[in-house]
Amino acid sequence: AQSVTQPDIHITVSEGASLELRCNYSYGATPYLFWYVQSPGQGLQLLLKYFSGDTLVQGIKGFEAEFKRSQSSFNLRKPSVHWSDAAEYFCAVVGAAGNKLTFGGGTRVLVKP
Amino acid sequence: DAGVTQSPTHLIKTRGQQVTLRCSPKSGHDTVSWYQQALGQGPQFIFQYYEEEERQRGNFPDRFSGHQFPNYSSELNVNALLLGDSALYLCASSLEPGRSSGNTIYFGEGSWLTVV
Repeated sequence: AQSVTQPDIHITVSEGASLELRCNYSYGATPYLFWYVQSPGQGLQLLLKYFSGDTLVQGIKGFEAEFKRSQSSFNLRKPSVHWSDAAEYFCAVVGAAGNKLTFGGGTRVLVKP
Repeated sequence: DAGVTQSPTHLIKTRGQQVTLRCSPKSGHDTVSWYQQALGQGPQFIFQYYEEEERQRGNFPDRFSGHQFPNYSSELNVNALLLGDSALYLCASSLEPGRSSGNTIYFGEGSWLTVV
């Protein structure tokens, strides 16, 4: 069965500083990986996805993520955080055969002025 | 191009009642999935519909049921509501996996259900 772990429940970062959110997955074959962001009281917005090819994936809002098969990781990064990036971030995996997403527990990002 | 739309956005029900939530998928999508997101947790897969049939189901009791219509829209029904059913219910749409590898899955804004 597939699973996703986001080790950091909360992260506080200063505005303008860099951000890295960790995601580790467990899946027997090549996974499809996603990062979603959720603002308070809102639904999920897709930031980026990895299906195959280049292991460094660019997304919206200046985010990028790197797929590392050897480490079963798909970490999300942003070079310079804006106050509007304060939200909850979810990493998710889906097996190649279907559309069922398995989510991690999420990382809540707080941005200090 | 409308994205995934859900209704209602908020509702309050009493224990033991029944609720129906509705979802219209993104234009061109034929597969609808439902997720439950309890406060402070990640979304949990409830079930998925394609061609008006339930294709996959997560670990949820039979009180949770659904339906997909010929226009691909979907309903989620929950019977005999419990306090623990209070959550954000998210609808996700996509293309049927066999038609598109590397599928992108889009979510609606969700329906907030409070059971009192």
